[in-house]
Amino acid sequence: DTGVSQNPRHKITKRGQNVTFRCDPISEHNRLYWYRQTLGQGPEFLTYFQNEAQLEKSRLLSDRFSAERPKGSFSTLEIQRTEQGDSAMYLCASSLGTQYFGPGTRLLVL
Amino acid sequence: AQRVTQPEKLLSVFKGAPVELKCNYSYSGSPELFWYVQYSRQRLQLLLRHISRESIKGFTADLNKGETSFHLKKPFAQEEDSAMYYCALIAASGSARQLTFGSGTQLTVLP
Repeated sequence: DTGVSQNPRHKITKRGQNVTFRCDPISEHNRLYWYRQTLGQGPEFLTYFQNEAQLEKSRLLSDRFSAERPKGSFSTLEIQRTEQGDSAMYLCASSLGTQYFGPGTRLLVL
Repeated sequence: AQRVTQPEKLLSVFKGAPVELKCNYSYSGSPELFWYVQYSRQRLQLLLRHISRESIKGFTADLNKGETSFHLKKPFAQEEDSAMYYCALIAASGSARQLTFGSGTQLTVLP
């Protein structure tokens, strides 16, 4: 499968714990996006990388969230001190023009 | 800031009937408009974009700048069209070209 992959697909954690998600984009894609989707809503933009540079962050991305793309390939999204309101589907997309989405990581914070 | 509105959360039609999924947007510039679709247990995927002016799986969408709408239409719905449909916009002004999505319409095509 040469599409965007995300791991893990599901994560259950207790409030206050840290979690990290990984996204592997389509190999030649230099643009990478993170979105968050809550129940009944469309995906909402969190942050954008061009190669290894994080060029834009949404105001949705609180101080507890950090994203990296160290070598311009895979990316990680870390949430520190998780809260119940962080429960959502976290989607990654990569692009040269059209955005191709991964299957998402579903996070449940208890 | 830009906004995309999909007024119908749920839409049911019978097989063979015409279907129209509504999308309205607010943005002061010239946006790029898209329809994404998510079939059951599959990932979000692009259905069509306004700049291509194409028909995909029998679906078409026309950008109406006067009404700020980008409704998705198909003359004869099929059961395999049952899915969640999201209208989305890219603002011309942004360098990130991130998508702004509507809240989606769940289409069910009844046999």
